[in-house]
Amino acid sequence: GQQVMQIPQYQHVQEGEDFTTYCNSSTTLSNIQWYKQRPGGHPVFLIQLVKSGEVKKQKRLTFQFGEAKKNSSLHITATQTTDVGTYFCAGPMPHGSSNTGKLIFGQGTTLQVKP
Amino acid sequence: GAVVSQHPSRVICKSGTSVKIECRSLDFQATTMFWYRQFPKQSLMLMATSNEGSKATYEQGVEKDKFLINHASLTLSTLTVTSAHPEDSSFYICSARDFRLAGGPSTDTQYFGPGTRLTVL
Repeated sequence: GQQVMQIPQYQHVQEGEDFTTYCNSSTTLSNIQWYKQRPGGHPVFLIQLVKSGEVKKQKRLTFQFGEAKKNSSLHITATQTTDVGTYFCAGPMPHGSSNTGKLIFGQGTTLQVKP
Repeated sequence: GAVVSQHPSRVICKSGTSVKIECRSLDFQATTMFWYRQFPKQSLMLMATSNEGSKATYEQGVEKDKFLINHASLTLSTLTVTSAHPEDSSFYICSARDFRLAGGPSTDTQYFGPGTRLTVL
């Protein structure tokens, strides 16, 4: 079945260093979404990418969707302690031609930032 | 973003009892809500899709008689864990789908509730 893989599982960085997490799908995705979950919290929607090769920025966060629409990345420039949390990518579960809205999540990358 | 509430946030119960968790979309109507389970340091696993006005659909391996879902209105879905056992202890999270194709920019986004931490003794 469809799989969404994310690496690395954990990343420890010094405050100010950059951070990147990578997401790979076994199938082509119509879109990819990114969520952030703080420790003890719930996933919060960050962004959705739809177009092949799309790049979107949110302040220090840069999101990319691969040309083949099977991979994506999230890059954080100059990390801050407020960036701590687990970042999940998620793609739609295939269900024939219908859009059920179901998502399959990657395993997440947990970011720790040392002040 | 939209607001989704979940109640209770935390519940501790004895083995064999049933627990009801409510999920509400507070500022939009959601014909579809999703229920996920998350074990410590793991990802979210979709359990079931809750559809207003019709039966819920369950993912493979999820017992529908154990996890009862009712989507009573466009803003409320409930998950009842029946005859709970310690292995049911987990973090249960709902999400509400904001899906619009007309009347403005199209959107298809899920907003998550704050989660319910269930501990079964």
